[in-house]
Amino acid sequence: AQKVTQAQTEISVVEKEDVTLDCVYETRDTTYYLFWYKQPPSGELVFLIRRNSFDEQNEISGRYSWNFQKSTSSFNFTITASQVVDSAVYFCALSVISGNTPLVFGKGTRLSVIA
Amino acid sequence: GAVVSQHPSWVICKSGTSVKIECRSLDFQATTMFWYRQFPKQSLMLMATSNEGSKATYEQGVEKDKFLINHASLTLSTLTVTSAHPEDSSFYICSARDRAGNNSPLHFGNGTRLTVT
Repeated sequence: AQKVTQAQTEISVVEKEDVTLDCVYETRDTTYYLFWYKQPPSGELVFLIRRNSFDEQNEISGRYSWNFQKSTSSFNFTITASQVVDSAVYFCALSVISGNTPLVFGKGTRLSVIA
Repeated sequence: GAVVSQHPSWVICKSGTSVKIECRSLDFQATTMFWYRQFPKQSLMLMATSNEGSKATYEQGVEKDKFLINHASLTLSTLTVTSAHPEDSSFYICSARDRAGNNSPLHFGNGTRLTVT
C-alpha cells in the first residue's frame, strides 16, 4: 500500500519569504511517480510537477523547486520569494507506474502568504 | 493538452433527490477514470475506479448502491449520488488517464461542489 504524509497542516509566511512544503511517502514499489498539485480556493487541482522514481534530479521551474531524496523517501517543494497568489492548499501525491492506478494524496498543506 | 471536463461545477439539491455528475475526456480516450471526494479542509479520497464497459471498483466504505458509476464510453463516466443526504455534501473530482500509455499523466476535472439541503 502507498502512503503520503504531509506533516505541515498550515503554514503562514510573509510575502517574499521562501517556504518549503514537506512530503514523505511510503511504497513497496520500486517504480512510482510523485506529484505536487496546487488547489486554490476555487477548488480545481492545478498540476505542478510529476517525477518518476528513476529520476532523482532536483528540478527548478521559476520560483518553484523540488528536492527528491529517495534515501529519505521525501519529495519536498520550495517556493522562493513567495507571493500572495501562492496562497492555496498544496497536495503531494504518489502513484505506482505499473498498471492504470489512481493517485494517493497526502492531507495537504494550506499555505497562506501575507502581504 | 489533454482536458477533462466535469459538469456541473456546482449543484444544490434537496435531501432525497439524486444528482448526476458527468466526467468527460475531451481529446483522449480513457478506459479508466477515477472518482475522488473531498470534504472541507480535507484531502482527496478515492471513492471508486470506473472501468469502461464493466463494473466500477469501489473503495472500502463507499456504498456502491448510493454512488452509482457508469462508464458507458471511452470518453464519459458518470457518478450519480442517489437519495442524497446533507452528509453527502462534498467536492467530487474525477480524473482520467489517456489509454494510449501508462506513462501519460492523470488529468483532473475541475470538480463538482455538491450541497444537499
